[in-house]
Amino acid sequence: AQSVAQPEDQVNVAEGNPLTVKCTYSVSGNPYLFWYVQYPNRGLQFLLKYITGDNLVKGSYGFEAEFNKSQTSFHLKKPSALVSDSALYFCAVRGLGNEKLTFGTGTRLTIIP
Amino acid sequence: GAGVSQSPRYKVAKRGQDVALRCDPISGHVSLFWYQQALGQGPEFLTYFQNEAQLDKSGLPSDRFFAERPEGSVSTLKIQRTQQEDSAVYLCASSLRIYEQYFGPGTRLTVT
Repeated sequence: AQSVAQPEDQVNVAEGNPLTVKCTYSVSGNPYLFWYVQYPNRGLQFLLKYITGDNLVKGSYGFEAEFNKSQTSFHLKKPSALVSDSALYFCAVRGLGNEKLTFGTGTRLTIIP
Repeated sequence: GAGVSQSPRYKVAKRGQDVALRCDPISGHVSLFWYQQALGQGPEFLTYFQNEAQLDKSGLPSDRFFAERPEGSVSTLKIQRTQQEDSAVYLCASSLRIYEQYFGPGTRLTVT
């Protein structure tokens, strides 16, 4: 079975400060890891993915994430937060040979002006 | 269009009615997925197609849920005899195999 944990329901960050949204996962074999963002009344938008290779992956809107195999983590980061980054963020995992994504429960990120 | 589209965007059904939700994937995407997202939760997998073949339907909550993709493009998720617990947002996604899934805007189903 595969699973994702997002330990923080809510993260508040001051505009201009760095942000981190945490994610840990469990999967058999090598993981494929994803971050999505959801704005109100809209579907999920893809931000970035880790498939293989460099542990630090860069994605849309200045976001990046670091894959840490020993800690089974894939935390989302951004050096300088914008008010427009306020949204609901989901981490997701799938294993090799398994097409379906398993999502975490989401983290609501609020950037305070 | 460039993205995944879903219709209707909103559906209100009386308990016991049948509903049909449509998904138009990105052209050329082989894989198509349906997810259910309850309020305040992450999406949960329902079923998956590769072309017209339904390869995994392990997430369908009951035999009242049925999905099809007869020509390997458009897909329909049908819910028979709707119940209040079926109220949720139903998300469709498409992808090119191991790559990221692209999601549609969802259909918000409310069963009264």
